[in-house]
Amino acid sequence: DADVTQTPRNRITKTGKRIMLECSQTKGHDRMYWYRQDPGLGLRLIYYSFDVKDINKGEISDGYSVSRQAQAKFSLSLESAIPNQTALYFCATSDSGQGLGNQPQHFGDGTRLSIL
Amino acid sequence: AQKVTQAQTEISVVEKEDVTLDCVYETRDTTYYLFWYKQPPSGELVFLIRRNSFDEQNEISGRYSWNFQKSTSSFNFTITASQVVDSAVYFCALSGLDSGGYQKVTFGTGTKLQVIP
Repeated sequence: DADVTQTPRNRITKTGKRIMLECSQTKGHDRMYWYRQDPGLGLRLIYYSFDVKDINKGEISDGYSVSRQAQAKFSLSLESAIPNQTALYFCATSDSGQGLGNQPQHFGDGTRLSIL
Repeated sequence: AQKVTQAQTEISVVEKEDVTLDCVYETRDTTYYLFWYKQPPSGELVFLIRRNSFDEQNEISGRYSWNFQKSTSSFNFTITASQVVDSAVYFCALSGLDSGGYQKVTFGTGTKLQVIP
């Protein structure tokens, strides 16, 4: 089984719909992240969470919300989806480790979201 | 603010050729970490290497090698004797602290490598 599991893997929906992407991990990491990937733009951070009670906005949080239901679960919601939110979405985890920023991130397989 | 630049959008090489992927970064932090990730056509992101700002030793892992030079703010990745399985998008990433003291990871836009048999 994958250490970081994203569901669904693919989703096609219509403008205005509410969408939830889910992420669960079995790595025991306390940090979790949501990114979106667009062609030519690399990965951009949407939200991140360092523990269940700590949630922070990334560089492109507008139009998105998150919920950290447990250490192992971090969901991303699009309250009212719009076409420019069509992208590949990745969930990632990392261990806190010693010091900040020194641990690599472990990614799920991605969710391909298309909004018509 | 921190920034990662991967100026090479796409590179094509013939199998067995060597290829270097460039990564240039900007940061005001004195302590930071650099990473390379691989994204094969199947789409997943795979961690390749981590380097901290105090360790400028080059690293070799099989056909992969990394050259970190603080003087030029570069962290380049070389694949020796490339193989078709190396075809992927490669991302360079920089991890430092944002204004609130939280870890912030910035990814480059990626370099797509195509190895032609």
